[in-house]
Amino acid sequence: ELKVEQNPLFLSMQEGKNYTIYCNYSTTSDRLYWYRQDPGKSLESLFVLLSNGAVKQEGRLMASLDTKARLSTLHITAAVHDLSATYFCAGEYGNKLVFGAGTILRVKS
Amino acid sequence: DGGITQSPKYLFRKEGQNVTLSCEQNLNHDAMYWYRQDPGQGLRLIYYSQIVNDFQKGDIAEGYSVSREKKESFPLTVTSAQKNPTAFYLCASSIDREVDEQFFGPGTRLTVL
Repeated sequence: ELKVEQNPLFLSMQEGKNYTIYCNYSTTSDRLYWYRQDPGKSLESLFVLLSNGAVKQEGRLMASLDTKARLSTLHITAAVHDLSATYFCAGEYGNKLVFGAGTILRVKS
Repeated sequence: DGGITQSPKYLFRKEGQNVTLSCEQNLNHDAMYWYRQDPGQGLRLIYYSQIVNDFQKGDIAEGYSVSREKKESFPLTVTSAQKNPTAFYLCASSIDREVDEQFFGPGTRLTVL
């Protein structure tokens, strides 16, 4: 059974700072997904990481995947208030997605 | 516009009542999913369907039922057997029966009075 753990679960950071959210998973997962959720809203797909060593970037967010370490990271560069949201990673298990508990990100000005 | 719609946005239910949440997609996706989200927690899979007229239980199927009579529709019924149904319910779809990027609807917030 796949277990997905994110850390930290809560992150408060100053605007302009850099930080990384970590996503560890317990068993082989071919693909790794990152989603964003604003309060009371649905999930928005951010990144799909398909293979070992994959790196994708969109604006101030960059995601990477290391399948050997069973680790994905979401790096935030020069944070801005608009990035405040909850971020979820999810791995594949069988034909289902298994989600982490989410990381609540608050960017303070 | 292609997308996933869920209705209603908010739903109030008295204890002992069954309620049905609607999920419709016009993306021509084969696979559809129902998740439950409790405050401060991740998503947990209730049911999923990879093709019409077929569906499988997820991790927390007890107290829920689904049907998949049409490709574009995957309604979820929350039955009176579900002891703690107050939650945010999200429907999602993906292109085919292999796990693929899932796209989510806007969600239904169910409150039991």
